[in-house]
Amino acid sequence: GAGVSQSPRYKVAKRGQDVALRCDPISGHVSLFWYQQALGQGPEFLTYFQNEAQLDKSGLPSDRFFAERPEGSVSTLKIQRTQQEDSAVYLCASSLARGGGSNEQFFGPGTRLTVL
Amino acid sequence: EDKVVQSPLSLVVHEGDTVTLNCSYEVTNFRSLLWYKQEKKAPTFLFMLTSSGIEKKSGRLSSILDKKELFSILNITATQTGDSAVYLCAVEGPPRGADGTSYGKLTFGQGTILTVHP
Repeated sequence: GAGVSQSPRYKVAKRGQDVALRCDPISGHVSLFWYQQALGQGPEFLTYFQNEAQLDKSGLPSDRFFAERPEGSVSTLKIQRTQQEDSAVYLCASSLARGGGSNEQFFGPGTRLTVL
Repeated sequence: EDKVVQSPLSLVVHEGDTVTLNCSYEVTNFRSLLWYKQEKKAPTFLFMLTSSGIEKKSGRLSSILDKKELFSILNITATQTGDSAVYLCAVEGPPRGADGTSYGKLTFGQGTILTVHP
């Protein structure tokens, strides 16, 4: 595709509900990142995939958060038993190479999650 | 813990003004510093800086890095209403891979909200 796409763009969940957020990276991009952006803050790193391997999940705030990328392309971020503090924009980004600092991360439009 | 601090947090100017946005950082094993523009959608890439003292320019925007003092500035000259956005600074930190390759994991600042009035 032309860019990184995410769905849904908006999600309203009741507290305690499970949600799944999808990211379609740019075709051929090896690296995929998830970030969480709370209102008025910069994005915060959640997790990183290199192809299908989840190499860094140090930013996941709790064990209610789970991410996967089973075939090395589309990724899903799942949040179980959502809490109000999970309300944020969840950004996905992909880059061509496996890191090295010289490859631009292309961001998707984000999914705005509101937990009531 | 890696830390990025931006200032000011918000800025209101009129068209034609020049603005300077600041970003200071504390990162172990610094690799690069990046500037993004975020409107009501995805952050879009502006600049990546790796070396001190080398100015990067793109139209009315320019940026420079000082690795000794650990900061960067983003300048916008002759501002336009379309420049209104949140400007994010991010730093890429230490390697993560077994071979030392950096993942490109970014630590972001809080952002500067720029509002340009006609």
